[in-house]
Amino acid sequence: DIQMTQSPSSLSASVGDRVTITCRASQGITNYLNWYQQKPGKAPKLLIYAASNLQSGVPSRFSGSGSGTDFTLTISSLQPEDFATYYCQQSYNTPPTFGQGTKLEIK
Amino acid sequence: QLQLQESGPGLVKPSETLSLTCTVSGGSFISSSYYWGWIRQPPGKGLEWIGSIFYSGYTYYSPSLKSRVTISVDTSKNQFSLKLSSVTAADTAVYYCARVATGDSVDLWGQGALVTVSS
Repeated sequence: DIQMTQSPSSLSASVGDRVTITCRASQGITNYLNWYQQKPGKAPKLLIYAASNLQSGVPSRFSGSGSGTDFTLTISSLQPEDFATYYCQQSYNTPPTFGQGTKLEIK
Repeated sequence: QLQLQESGPGLVKPSETLSLTCTVSGGSFISSSYYWGWIRQPPGKGLEWIGSIFYSGYTYYSPSLKSRVTISVDTSKNQFSLKLSSVTAADTAVYYCARVATGDSVDLWGQGALVTVSS
């Protein structure tokens, strides 16, 4: 299985901050990388697909980049509703696998 | 709009079979653009792909669970189902049904069903 490693595991930030979360794959996955946001007690929500494509309805402050093994999710200006846990997922090879998550907390 | 809803027992005894059904409402279940999957999340932990099914019945199972998993579809009821046999406490999790889109991104999720394995 392809291992997905996110960093950091947790992050404290303030409203208005620019935040970047990194995801690294154990082997090259071209651009088969998706990002999700999960709030407590809720199902995950797709934010970014194919590394850099914004899912319909997702605010433009979210962006994704990268290819190969290294990927980033950037939130340009944190809003109160963005405090959540974020997961990356590779869909290059079966089984699809997720990163361990990055918990974004209010500073 | 399209919605997914899991249903099934919330408590299963060890060694028995976990059974969940996902009902798709508000839209077409039969699509060549999507397929349907099950993903689980143990309490306080990350996400694990269980398996998936196309409306035609073609299935994929994660190798780590393949020996215990069966996913089936009932197009007449707009439903797909998960069976996981010989469960242990390690199978305690929130089980999500989901729609899988292009590039295997999960663009629609059910609300999740907590299944606890305990005697």
